[in-house]
Amino acid sequence: GAVVSQHPSWVICKSGTSVKIECRSLDFQATTMFWYRQFPKQSLMLMATSNEGSKATYEQGVEKDKFLINHASLTLSTLTVTSAHPEDSSFYICSARDGTSASYEQYFGPGTRLTVT
Amino acid sequence: DAKTTQPTSMDCAEGRAANLPCNHSTISGNEYVYWYRQIHSQGPQYIIHGLKNNETNEMASLIITEDRKSSTLILPHATLRDTAVYYCIVRKNMEYGNKLVFGAGTILRVKS
Repeated sequence: GAVVSQHPSWVICKSGTSVKIECRSLDFQATTMFWYRQFPKQSLMLMATSNEGSKATYEQGVEKDKFLINHASLTLSTLTVTSAHPEDSSFYICSARDGTSASYEQYFGPGTRLTVT
Repeated sequence: DAKTTQPTSMDCAEGRAANLPCNHSTISGNEYVYWYRQIHSQGPQYIIHGLKNNETNEMASLIITEDRKSSTLILPHATLRDTAVYYCIVRKNMEYGNKLVFGAGTILRVKS
């Protein structure tokens, strides 16, 4: 089945530094990737949608200059949290859609736990 | 996309069927009903989806009412590993750029 991986699975960084999270589709081509954020005891919140080779589309209220998304290839998207602060501590989950599948299904990665100290 | 309403939480005895309801009274004709679940600290997992007819796969069954305003996800023999948050999502399918928007979901606790 379709597999999406994320790296790292968890990361601790100091306030003010930047952190990059990778999302890879391992056995399919992901024409579209999605980034979600989830705070404790809350549901997933969609942050942005990115199509390969294009700029990401951010949801309302998500700062595009703070959360930099790059989707340079059909198997890799990255999310960079710039100048991270403690309030950015969260569970970040990516999702990829198989562009060659007629069902346009989305497959989710295992998530990355970010802790900013 | 249409909104959904789910109970906040449910309990189920291990080995029994778990029936998770979802209301989607404003669903439109070209919108599908999707179910995902999220086990603690993991990414969501696709379970099943359907348009009008009932669907069954190796994980679950999906029963959609004739008027399509509600549906029920059935886990036929719940195990402790089925304890998770279950999300019912209604969305248009087969559209480029379409996205999944998650609501609060139902916390299912399977107890021995």
